[in-house]
Amino acid sequence: GAVVSQHPSWVICKSGTSVKIECRSLDFQATTMFWYRQFPKQSLMLMATSNEGSKATYEQGVEKDKFLINHASLTLSTLTVTSAHPEDSSFYICSATKTGYSNQPQHFGDGTRLSIL
Amino acid sequence: DQQVKQNSPSLSVQEGRISILNCDYTNSMFDYFLWYKKYPAEGPTFLISISSIKDKNEDGRFTVFLNKSAKHLSLHIVPSQPGDSAVYFCAASSNFNKFYFGSGTKLNVKP
Repeated sequence: GAVVSQHPSWVICKSGTSVKIECRSLDFQATTMFWYRQFPKQSLMLMATSNEGSKATYEQGVEKDKFLINHASLTLSTLTVTSAHPEDSSFYICSATKTGYSNQPQHFGDGTRLSIL
Repeated sequence: DQQVKQNSPSLSVQEGRISILNCDYTNSMFDYFLWYKKYPAEGPTFLISISSIKDKNEDGRFTVFLNKSAKHLSLHIVPSQPGDSAVYFCAASSNFNKFYFGSGTKLNVKP
């Protein structure tokens, strides 16, 4: 078990558009989900930690109003890139940890390639 | 400030030989370390982990070594197989708070 599904896998849209990315834990409950961003040939940079039923915790330098995170259920977190611009083009990946389990790795989705024209 | 570093962006190894991927970290508070494997257009897949109370963890062909005094860990794959060709990320955390990732090493195992 421990499958994380991310949708869409690839999106191309015009500058100024808002884009929503979904992250679902398919076979487990996830109180906590994480959103990462990866630039080419660079490491995964943690953007925010998403907690079910409460506000997300954003890393320093990440704009809360730009990257809206909602974690409304134990199996779904969404990241909305608002008024996206070309500099927001990147690879976004979510991960989740199983509720009630400690000392365990994060399980990753397959990522979303976002291209803003 | 990069707290986890993988200084080799790529590594090429012959099939059947040993692959050694290295990772260095700067934060002495890190107590849990993981290796992930990533194929193109997919998310990282968990491979193996080690806690700071150990210096070695083995799982089949994969062994992770931790040298706390040197703040260094390595992943050994033996024997290497062409299917092992992927990008390998090391990650570290303190108290399972946040995970910090290295920039990855692209492994190419030649048949």
